[in-house]
Amino acid sequence: KQEVTQIPAALSVPEGENLVLNCSFTDSAIYNLQWFRQDPGKGLTSLLLIQSSQREQTSGRLNASLDKSSGRSTLYIAASQPGDSATYLCAVGGNTPLVFGKGTRLSVIA
Amino acid sequence: DAGVIQSPRHEVTEMGQEVTLRCKPISGHNSLFWYRQTMMRGLELLIYFNNNVPIDDSGMPEDRFSAKMPNASFSTLKIQPSEPRDSAVYFCASSVGTVEKLFFGSGTQLSVL
Repeated sequence: KQEVTQIPAALSVPEGENLVLNCSFTDSAIYNLQWFRQDPGKGLTSLLLIQSSQREQTSGRLNASLDKSSGRSTLYIAASQPGDSATYLCAVGGNTPLVFGKGTRLSVIA
Repeated sequence: DAGVIQSPRHEVTEMGQEVTLRCKPISGHNSLFWYRQTMMRGLELLIYFNNNVPIDDSGMPEDRFSAKMPNASFSTLKIQPSEPRDSAVYFCASSVGTVEKLFFGSGTQLSVL
């Protein structure tokens, strides 16, 4: 059974700092990996989707990498802003629908 | 495109009452998912449909929970009878395929007193 872990559970950084969020999964037989953002009281918004054949995806200040063999993904946020404050969830898709980690709650302090 | 639409946005009910949550997926999406989110357990998949057919309901916690998808544009999740431990945020999501980019609704915040 696929298990997804995100560390740390919470992170607080000053504005302008570059940061990395981590995601690990136990079963490397995946189709893709997705990173989501969730604002308080809201639904999840897909940020990036990496297919299993890809190593990374970029969107603006966000860059997600995937290392299937080691069961790891990272989400890099450059030049963080207070508007980036949210919970970031990683989800892995394989033979079953997406399995989610519990997320990292990010606070960017102005 | 209006996105995935869920109703109601908030539901407060008393223990033992029936609760029905509703979802309209994005037009053209053939997969629909119901998730439940709590602080303790995170996001859990309850059930998913492909082309209106339930594929896997192993995540449904008890027989008190049931879900239907009578057509491609509508799904319901019903809890009967409801219990306080059912209090959570329930999300509906849809996608073109089972493991493609997933689009979430805004969720239903359920409180069972």
